[in-house]
Amino acid sequence: AQRVTQPEKLLSVFKGAPVELKCNYSYSGSPELFWYVQYSRQRLQLLLRHISRESIKGFTADLNKGETSFHLKKPFAQEEDSAMYYCALTGSQGNLIFGKGTKLSVKP
Amino acid sequence: DAGVTQSPTHLIKTRGQQVTLRCSPISGHKSVSWYQQVLGQGPQFIFQYYEKEERGRGNFPDRFSARQFPNYSSELNVNALLLGDSALYLCASRYWSGGPSGYGYTFGSGTRLTVV
Repeated sequence: AQRVTQPEKLLSVFKGAPVELKCNYSYSGSPELFWYVQYSRQRLQLLLRHISRESIKGFTADLNKGETSFHLKKPFAQEEDSAMYYCALTGSQGNLIFGKGTKLSVKP
Repeated sequence: DAGVTQSPTHLIKTRGQQVTLRCSPISGHKSVSWYQQVLGQGPQFIFQYYEKEERGRGNFPDRFSARQFPNYSSELNVNALLLGDSALYLCASRYWSGGPSGYGYTFGSGTRLTVV
């Protein structure tokens, strides 16, 4: 079964602290993985994808096939990072399969 | 260049009624997909269309149907509405970004459907 698991519903950190949002997946073969972000009152938007190995807004994510994980990390959280974060993979029908999301709250 | 546009933004319907939601993809994008996002959950795949043909379907009842028009816009129809159909319905425009980056997806702002 193709599945994305985000174990934390809510993650609360202080400004300047490191952040790690966890994502585990279940997929046969080589998955195509993404992180999407939804800021308050804004549309869902792509943050980064594993295939391009990019760093956006200081966030990075490394695919670990052995642990079937794609955790999102940032060394120093900013208040403007507060948002809902969704991990997703491309399913067999070309659709996106999302996790339930983690709400990141960065406190001043 | 306009992004993915959805209409209406909000809708209130009564149980048993039917609803039609509309989506226009980004100009030049030929693939449209629909997702349902219930409060507190991630988006769930409903349909995908490419060049007016259904290319994928999620685990939703037959009350849900969709179509894509020659201009690549799309409609999602839901019949016999239930309270549980209350959700944010998202439309996504899928495109080939080329090279190693693969496919990309751009989402609309969604239609908030409330069934009472």
